[in-house]
Amino acid sequence: EAGVAQSPRYKIIEKRQSVAFWCNPISGHATLYWYQQILGQGPKLLIQFQNNGVVDDSQLPKDRFSAERLKGVDSTLKIQPAKLEDSAVYLCASSYTSGDTGELFFGEGSRLTVL
Amino acid sequence: DQQVKQNSPSLSVQEGRISILNCDYTNSMFDYFLWYKKYPAEGPTFLISISSIKDKNEDGRFTVFLNKSAKHLSLHIVPSQPGDSAVYFCAASDGNEKLTFGTGTRLTIIP
Repeated sequence: EAGVAQSPRYKIIEKRQSVAFWCNPISGHATLYWYQQILGQGPKLLIQFQNNGVVDDSQLPKDRFSAERLKGVDSTLKIQPAKLEDSAVYLCASSYTSGDTGELFFGEGSRLTVL
Repeated sequence: DQQVKQNSPSLSVQEGRISILNCDYTNSMFDYFLWYKKYPAEGPTFLISISSIKDKNEDGRFTVFLNKSAKHLSLHIVPSQPGDSAVYFCAASDGNEKLTFGTGTRLTIIP
């Protein structure tokens, strides 16, 4: 079974530029999550989708971050304009149903450096 | 407000001995707890979990203990092996299907 796929693995941009990350969850997983992990901290949930609907985006900085999950499969996370404090690893995760056992399957992450 | 705390950023243990990783939480609404393991340049992988109705769950070399009155859980690994060297994250859920993670503990197993 293929795991959660993310791209790009690494991205370096200057502040005020834009960036987009892509995620393809495990086939059949209805729930998709985007987490932000800043160095030295634990992952923090940015947004949670159930199929193509948003379940929780309370911690998403909506003035600069946006995410979509068209057709309820893959998803993109966009940052525009980027700030220095957005430097982090962006982790995508999926689960079969929303929080059934809390077991999320994570991708390898996309590391963003904002200069 | 850090609702899930892992106060030890790092831990070194001799191979073959027991590793004990600790986690404290403040939100009494948390009812499900998980441990994730993370190797460098990889995403976290699920290790073991425990429901708040239990005080112990065991899976091979890994055992998680939950003390609800103290709002404390711990992960025991015995015997510790070199492949256990990784960052371990404690996570908790309050039934709203959202995981809150701790800051992680880097475990190093010394051969």
